[in-house]
Amino acid sequence: EVQLVESGGGLIQPGGSLRLSCVASASTFSRHWMWVRQAPGKGLVWVSRFNSDGGTTEYADSVKGRFTISRDNAKNTLYLQMNSLRAEDTAVYYCTRSFDSWGQGTLVTVSS
Amino acid sequence: DVVMTQSPLTLPVTLGQPASISCRSSQSLVHSDGNTYLSWFQQRPGQSPRRLIYKVSNRDSGVPDRFSGSGSGTDFTLKISRVEAEDVGVYYCMDGTHSPPWTFGQGTRVEIK
Repeated sequence: EVQLVESGGGLIQPGGSLRLSCVASASTFSRHWMWVRQAPGKGLVWVSRFNSDGGTTEYADSVKGRFTISRDNAKNTLYLQMNSLRAEDTAVYYCTRSFDSWGQGTLVTVSS
Repeated sequence: DVVMTQSPLTLPVTLGQPASISCRSSQSLVHSDGNTYLSWFQQRPGQSPRRLIYKVSNRDSGVPDRFSGSGSGTDFTLKISRVEAEDVGVYYCMDGTHSPPWTFGQGTRVEIK
């Protein structure tokens, strides 16, 4: 089982940017890599996927055009660049490998 | 997008007794490749989600055999044969057939009576 450790969360003003990182204990070259978020007291919502088969990316409609997922194989790290942040982006962000391994999450709070 | 509807939203259970959670999808979850990509996740209080079941009825490694998944088409069930204290938490079903997006149910909270 791969270990995943997220970082980069914090308090940010509306309109600001953050970059989340997820370091994996094993290679990120294969399998699919996702970000899933959970607003306080709410359920799980898929945010984005990095498809290792071809390097394609997909996004939830709510973040399309604002968030960018990327991967650095040399560093075994997955990223989520989040721009134009809104209050409704406040959530714990989880990194997951094909949903079979999950990190501990990193909290993003968007507030003035 | 597919809508995943779980019931009940809260499930009070007695230790040692069985429990059952229903998940219904707004469209059939049978993929064109013949598989049905329905998964179940457990999220204990204060913890990250953990996948229990994939493709309707396949248990992930390390998942106790008291957990089982069944169903087909649009109607799925997660069963716990004998609830233990460590089973308290929120359970989610998820559609992977119509991805992207991957759609979760709203969650079912399992609590001890």
